[in-house]
Amino acid sequence: NAGVTQTPKFQVLKTGQSMTLQCAQDMNHNSMYWYRQDPGMGLRLIYYSASEGTTDKGEVPNGYNVSRLNKREFSLRLESAAPSQTSVYFCASSELEGYYGYTFGSGTRLTVV
Amino acid sequence: KQEVTQIPAALSVPEGENLVLNCSFTDSAIYNLQWFRQDPGKGLTSLLLIQSSQREQTSGRLNASLDKSSGRSTLYIAASQPGDSATYLCAVSGAGNNRKLIWGLGTSLAVNP
Repeated sequence: NAGVTQTPKFQVLKTGQSMTLQCAQDMNHNSMYWYRQDPGMGLRLIYYSASEGTTDKGEVPNGYNVSRLNKREFSLRLESAAPSQTSVYFCASSELEGYYGYTFGSGTRLTVV
Repeated sequence: KQEVTQIPAALSVPEGENLVLNCSFTDSAIYNLQWFRQDPGKGLTSLLLIQSSQREQTSGRLNASLDKSSGRSTLYIAASQPGDSATYLCAVSGAGNNRKLIWGLGTSLAVNP
């Protein structure tokens, strides 16, 4: 099925550890996004990539880095995980800046202890 | 600054009822509005997308309307079923150069058999 694939689905990290969340889409979309979802705060944009080769900060970029590896793949890296980064992370993609809407992955549930 | 509010935060109805979920936004200069469904512990599934020039969209038992001038959208669910139980999220995409999604906190719906 066409869509957005995220790996892993679950992860537990110790404070200070690093990890990379992977995201791939097979819809040939230009734009890709990383969101985090926290109770009572809704979804917040971490980083986005409007097109291959470009990345920009969103609302809450501190503590994260991203790489747009190619048109299909957009990864999110936590260099030194903190308990405040415990969250559910969603990757999304869109075409024409969202004119046709956004497609989301199934999420990564990350716990930092 | 665009703000999106969803009322009510939670709703419990008996099976078979028709119901309306509300989404309001403060800036009428939007690109489009999208309704999503989120099941517990799962990702986001797109339900309906309404462009700024449209008044409504329909898919099966779902109907979404948009009134830009009053800053409101409604999601109408006809003949509700237990399988409709989920959180429903509204997201607005800004006009002009700012096409990022602004999210409501969602309405948690429980349809009781």
